[in-house]
Amino acid sequence: DQQVKQNSPSLSVQEGRISILNCDYTNSMFDYFLWYKKYPAEGPTFLISISSIKDKNEDGRFTVFLNKSAKHLSLHIVPSQPGDSAVYFCAAFAQGGSEKLVFGKGTKLTVNP
Amino acid sequence: DAGVTQSPTHLIKTRGQQVTLRCSPKSGHDTVSWYQQALGQGPQFIFQYYEEEERQRGNFPDRFSGHQFPNYSSELNVNALLLGDSALYLCASEGSTYEQYFGPGTRLTVT
Repeated sequence: DQQVKQNSPSLSVQEGRISILNCDYTNSMFDYFLWYKKYPAEGPTFLISISSIKDKNEDGRFTVFLNKSAKHLSLHIVPSQPGDSAVYFCAAFAQGGSEKLVFGKGTKLTVNP
Repeated sequence: DAGVTQSPTHLIKTRGQQVTLRCSPKSGHDTVSWYQQALGQGPQFIFQYYEEEERQRGNFPDRFSGHQFPNYSSELNVNALLLGDSALYLCASEGSTYEQYFGPGTRLTVT
């Protein structure tokens, strides 16, 4: 039973346009959400996070939106750059839960020049 | 400021053998977590160590064990290796915030 789902295995966008990566979750106890970026042969790199008490968090070109009623979050990258090409993982955890971070399967983003 | 480091980078073992993977956390971090990432999957939580004690554990058998040393570095031990244990093993350290910082991982291949 997947608690964190990233239903799009891949996404391709043009340089300069917006990239939108989506993530759905089923566990209503999750209260903190994170996005990680992973290049081949490297570990995941923390990108941005959001607490369940907020609905938006912004950091430069990256914005994460949280819709708790829909159990949905999204990562927006504007403008997209070729260096953003990587696998993006959505992760969540619940304080006091039995697992630290629960990850989705990832979405491979390709930004074309 | 050194980030999270892991050794070795790659490892090949035979089914039934035992393996030990090592991790040094980011400077200032005292909590270490281990994850297993199978091909095409997201990382899956194995366990977390804090103050040299296992604090949380995911859904992994007892063949997976760990240790944390006084300098906060950590080891992951896997006994009686199975073919299905082939994966990328990631170590992550955590400081005072909830963000976890990952090392580059150890690629384990069991033949």
